[in-house]
Amino acid sequence: GENVEQHPSTLSVQEGDSAVIKCTYSDSASNYFPWYKQELGKRPQLIIDIRSNVGEKKDQRIAVTLNKTAKHFSLHITETQPEDSAVYFCAVTQGGSEKLVFGKGTKLTVNP
Amino acid sequence: NAGVMQNPRHLVRRRGQEARLRCSPMKGHSHVYWYRQLPEEGLKFMVYLQKENIIDESGMPKERFSAEFPKEGPSILRIQQVVRGDSAAYFCASSPQKGSLSDSYNEQFFGPGTRLTVL
Repeated sequence: GENVEQHPSTLSVQEGDSAVIKCTYSDSASNYFPWYKQELGKRPQLIIDIRSNVGEKKDQRIAVTLNKTAKHFSLHITETQPEDSAVYFCAVTQGGSEKLVFGKGTKLTVNP
Repeated sequence: NAGVMQNPRHLVRRRGQEARLRCSPMKGHSHVYWYRQLPEEGLKFMVYLQKENIIDESGMPKERFSAEFPKEGPSILRIQQVVRGDSAAYFCASSPQKGSLSDSYNEQFFGPGTRLTVL
């Protein structure tokens, strides 16, 4: 089955710096790559996603890049703010399936 | 348009009892997914259902766990004879029907979760 590796597991940055989280996957048939933000005790919230026919997508301070050849995709957050502090999960649809396979998460702390 | 609804939000059961978790998808969504999240861990897929059909239950334990999504009413995840290891947050997600005009058929939106504690 699909295997998703996410790095780093924890990330601490100063307010205003950029944060980058990277995920690698194993199934070359995967075609949908969402990122979720989860605050403590809350639901995972979809913040950005990308499909396999696109290499990059941007939404204000958040961007995602996809390299299908190398089978990795990354989340980029610029001008970080304390309210960006949360756990971020990448996910991948297993080829031919609708189910999401999640990475283990990155705990991001933005220090004021 | 209300989001995905789950109830109860918190559920406490003693070992051996049954737990029933309910999920109402977003309006217009016909696909429901159940995920389990253990403390400090990511989400693990359990089961994927459409109305009256189980599409993929590859992540659900073969014993004690069952799921349904009837024609009328919410989706139910049922855990019989609960054990302490079942303690976790159970999240339901929904997505639109594949093939809809929107390109968003993959997007899964999560409910607030049910936190199950087994004593």
